[in-house]
Amino acid sequence: EIVMTQSPAALSVSPGERATLSCRASQSVSSNLAWYQQKPGQAPRLLIYGASTRATGIPARFSGSGSGTEFTLTISSLQSEDFAVYYCQQYKNWPLTFGGGTKVEIK
Amino acid sequence: EVQLVESGGGLVKPGGSLRLSCAGSGFTFSSYMMNWVRQAPGKGLEWVSSIISSSYIFYADSVKGRFTISRDNPKNSLYLQMNSLRAEDTAVYYCARSELPLNGFDLWGQGTPVTVSS
Repeated sequence: EIVMTQSPAALSVSPGERATLSCRASQSVSSNLAWYQQKPGQAPRLLIYGASTRATGIPARFSGSGSGTEFTLTISSLQSEDFAVYYCQQYKNWPLTFGGGTKVEIK
Repeated sequence: EVQLVESGGGLVKPGGSLRLSCAGSGFTFSSYMMNWVRQAPGKGLEWVSSIISSSYIFYADSVKGRFTISRDNPKNSLYLQMNSLRAEDTAVYYCARSELPLNGFDLWGQGTPVTVSS
């Protein structure tokens, strides 16, 4: 099983600032990585797939990078609606696995 | 409207059974891989099972042998039969859609809660 590790577990950021979230895979997943955003009481929403491709309707302030075992989600200028929990997911191998999440909080 | 709507969750005793359903609308249901993902209270996301067709089904080890995923394409429906339920199966269960080749889960339902407790 590929273990996905996200860091930090929580991140305090002021509105308008940049947020950088990390995701590490225990073995290479190539570019088979997705990022999701989840707000309280809501279902997750796909942000990024293929490590760097924004899903339909996702604002350009969200960007993904990396390949192999190291990945980054960057939110260039945090808006109020971006405070949420973010998960990475690998889909290179079965079982599909998610990281433990990073909570982005208002500073 | 393109959407997924889950139903069938509830309170069940340990060892009991429950069948979850997910109805898709607004898209060609048969063209997509369908999935179940769960989230225990206050915890992260856990993939449970995926189905492309009856010949291509995948399960997490934690549910293998107890849960059965199935789909009825003419009815645009996905199912999860859950048997021998345990307290650790308590979670909100989401159905989610994915394209093939797999590129993440691009459409999610609102979730249905399952509580396993005596």
